[in-house]
Amino acid sequence: DAGVIQSPRHEVTEMGQEVTLRCKPISGHDYLFWYRQTMMRGLELLIYFNNNVPIDDSGMPEDRFSAKMPNASFSTLKIQPSEPRDSAVYFCASSWTGPNTIYFGEGSWLTVV
Amino acid sequence: TQLLEQSPQFLSIQEGENLTVYCNSSSVFSSLQWYRQEPGEGPVLLVTVVTGGEVKKLKRLTFQFGDARKDSSLHITAAQPGDTGLYLCAGVDSGAGSYQLTFGKGTKLSVIP
Repeated sequence: DAGVIQSPRHEVTEMGQEVTLRCKPISGHDYLFWYRQTMMRGLELLIYFNNNVPIDDSGMPEDRFSAKMPNASFSTLKIQPSEPRDSAVYFCASSWTGPNTIYFGEGSWLTVV
Repeated sequence: TQLLEQSPQFLSIQEGENLTVYCNSSSVFSSLQWYRQEPGEGPVLLVTVVTGGEVKKLKRLTFQFGDARKDSSLHITAAQPGDTGLYLCAGVDSGAGSYQLTFGKGTKLSVIP
């Protein structure tokens, strides 16, 4: 069975550029989560969706960050403009029972120079 | 903001030794989860504990949830190199109709052959 699929796996971009991260959740899952992981702050929840509707975006750090889920099989996390402090691993995760059984993708490693 | 403190932050042991890692909070959680994350991959759920005082065993891994549902421990017996990884605990707060999964920063375990 296919797990959560994220792309790109690695991205290096210059400060000021737009970054778009993509996620395909596990089929049938109705919750989708975006997390960010850094050494300093660990794993932080940015936003999560239920049935394609954003439920809690209080973790989104700034207006430069936005997330969409146009349908049940696709979500994007966009950073515009990007800054060096956005460098991190961004994980997408999905579940069908809220957070109780959550499956993570392999992550998108973002470096902003 | 609910915080989870994990200790130790780093642990390096010889193959065959036993170890315990801890996850502590001042907050009460609905349930608590343990994950293992290997380099370059996303966290993988190991176990969920729900009831205060609950003990769950997964082969050589024993998980315990504190009576007050504020803390948890993970004990590994006869550690093997394959146990190497980042162990994360995550508290689930399903109150107020919004699923919040708060992660600790993790314990990085190295098992030396």
